[in-house]
Amino acid sequence: NAGVTQTPKFQVLKTGQSMTLQCAQDMNHEYMSWYRQDPGMGLRLIHYSVGAGITDQGEVPNGYNVSRSTTEDFPLRLLSAAPSQTSVYFCASSRSGANVLTFGAGSRLTVL
Amino acid sequence: KQEVTQIPAALSVPEGENLVLNCSFTDSAIYNLQWFRQDPGKGLTSLLLIQSSQREQTSGRLNASLDKSSGRSTLYIAASQPGDSATYLCAVGVISGTGNQFYFGTGTSLTVIP
Repeated sequence: NAGVTQTPKFQVLKTGQSMTLQCAQDMNHEYMSWYRQDPGMGLRLIHYSVGAGITDQGEVPNGYNVSRSTTEDFPLRLLSAAPSQTSVYFCASSRSGANVLTFGAGSRLTVL
Repeated sequence: KQEVTQIPAALSVPEGENLVLNCSFTDSAIYNLQWFRQDPGKGLTSLLLIQSSQREQTSGRLNASLDKSSGRSTLYIAASQPGDSATYLCAVGVISGTGNQFYFGTGTSLTVIP
């Protein structure tokens, strides 16, 4: 049972480039979410989804897009990367928003 | 907006000591509260989940309490061990938009000295 899988683990981008962080879970969880973790700021919610076809904004959604076409996958897209998006990104899922969150191992992104 | 605070930011204790980690939140209208552990360079591992209707949860040497009216939760670790060294984070769940949003504290970094 793989749990929550994030790819890539590390990525370096130049300002203005685009990329997609992948998140997949094999637990049939309805709820999926993306966080960023910055020193001294804790984890902040970017976007979340309560099921296929449904997404919503979190605390810091600007500069990020998401979609949820399947229950298993919840990719996070950066359309035009900025240095302020340098961070560690975590994907998390749960059976519903009221249940235990299971986190992926994280993706470290550096924007130069 | 929900604000979650964890004090102290860092704590160092000798092995075997019992300890309490604190989490406070500004809005008592929460759905649940979770405690997580994070090891350096790793993801978060859930330790305990307390629903808003509950007062406490226990798992092994860990006990978490919740007092919604005062906006506080504590994580009690009994007989600490060096393997307990990690950062402990609390997260408050609130109902928002189409589902739940979770607000995290910045964590308490715990070091247990052998």
